[in-house]
Amino acid sequence: EVQLVESGGGLVQPGGSLRLSCASFEFSASSHWMHWVRQAPGKGLEWVARINPDFEGSVTDYADSVRGRFVISRDTAKNTLYLQLSSLRADDTAVYYCSGNTFGGPRDYWGQGTLVSVSS
Amino acid sequence: QSVLTQPPSVSGNPGQRVTISCSGTDSNIGRDFVCWYQQLPGAAPKLLIYRDNQRSSGVPDRFSGSHSGTSASLAISGLRSEDEAEYYCVVWDASLRGYVFGTGTKVTVL
Repeated sequence: EVQLVESGGGLVQPGGSLRLSCASFEFSASSHWMHWVRQAPGKGLEWVARINPDFEGSVTDYADSVRGRFVISRDTAKNTLYLQLSSLRADDTAVYYCSGNTFGGPRDYWGQGTLVSVSS
Repeated sequence: QSVLTQPPSVSGNPGQRVTISCSGTDSNIGRDFVCWYQQLPGAAPKLLIYRDNQRSSGVPDRFSGSHSGTSASLAISGLRSEDEAEYYCVVWDASLRGYVFGTGTKVTVL
């Protein structure tokens, strides 16, 4: 059974950093487009970033709201996706979901989400 | 704020048909395929429709999608209590070079 399991969320002060991880089981994170999507408390979904399959070279895209502060990456050997969050602000507080093979085909996969809270 | 506009809420009686609209622009819906997601409280989004009108595996045929110009729609026929959820459209935006979600629509079964 395919599983994406996020971890690394928590409480961080404004201006701080955090690294989120998304471990993939029975699904190759290196062979598919992988994404991070977030949802602030009581708000809608917001796409954050994506990274292309390994065999296509390294292509990443970011939402305007996080470009220059967040970095998406992948460890092929560990079959794990990452999101490095820096210069965090209060409006970055959200549940962060990782997802794979998203937006393009008949089947995609999502993790359960990890909560990031930015507060002093 | 999102560049894709959805009605905040729609409602209907069991068995009725409801439609959710998603309005965009030439840089997003006007040039690419739309997906639709259902999200239950506390859960991750679930893919319903991809490529405008293709149902994801296991999605009942009560759910259908359409696309015309810079707008897309999701229709739910034979409304059931388990359809109560938040629904989102999403599409690639060529100008922003990123995916954009709609504002979300809460479906209530009366």
